[in-house]
Amino acid sequence: EVQLVESGGGLVQPGGSLRLSCAASGFTFTAHYIDWVRQAPGKGLEWVGRIGNKVNNYHADFAASVKGRFTFSRDDSTNSVYLQLKSLKTEDTALYYCTREGHRDGPDFDYWGQGTLVTVSS
Amino acid sequence: QSVLTQPPSASATPGQRVTISCSGSSSNIGSNYVYWYQQVPGAAPKLLIYTNNQRPSGVPDRFSGSRSGTSASLAISGLRSEDEADYYCAAWDDSLRGPVFGGGTKLTVL
Repeated sequence: EVQLVESGGGLVQPGGSLRLSCAASGFTFTAHYIDWVRQAPGKGLEWVGRIGNKVNNYHADFAASVKGRFTFSRDDSTNSVYLQLKSLKTEDTALYYCTREGHRDGPDFDYWGQGTLVTVSS
Repeated sequence: QSVLTQPPSASATPGQRVTISCSGSSSNIGSNYVYWYQQVPGAAPKLLIYTNNQRPSGVPDRFSGSRSGTSASLAISGLRSEDEADYYCAAWDDSLRGPVFGGGTKLTVL
């Protein structure tokens, strides 16, 4: 069974940092890119970014709203992805979902975790 | 303001058919595949339709997707109470170089 489990969310002050984790199981982790999608309270879905796999040298892409502030790392030995959030703003408050990207062309997010909540507030 | 435009709400009675629209542009829907996601209250989104009109295994054939030009639509026939959820369309955007979502449509089953 495919599982994605996020952790690391919490309350942080504006300008602060946080590291989110995504632990994957039940599939060949190295074959997939991992994306993060966030959802502000009561709002819609927003793509945050993705990290590739060894085949594309773990290339990362980010949405313009987070570029330069968020970074990815990936540990294939533990089937984990980490999202480092820096210079956080109140508008970064959201539920952050880790998703598995399938192999079809486009936003093919075929499995989702349950999310981890990030609250940016003073 | 979402790149893809969806109506904020839709409603219908059990057994009826409902259609949810998703409007984009030549840089997203006009040139790339459309995906649809269903989010039941309190749960994570779930992939409902991929590559415009394909259903993952386990998704009932009551759900169907289509794309024409720079617009797409999701149709649900034989509406059931458990279909009450938020529905999101998504597509890759060539100009933004990333996936974009619609603002979501809240479906109410009356």
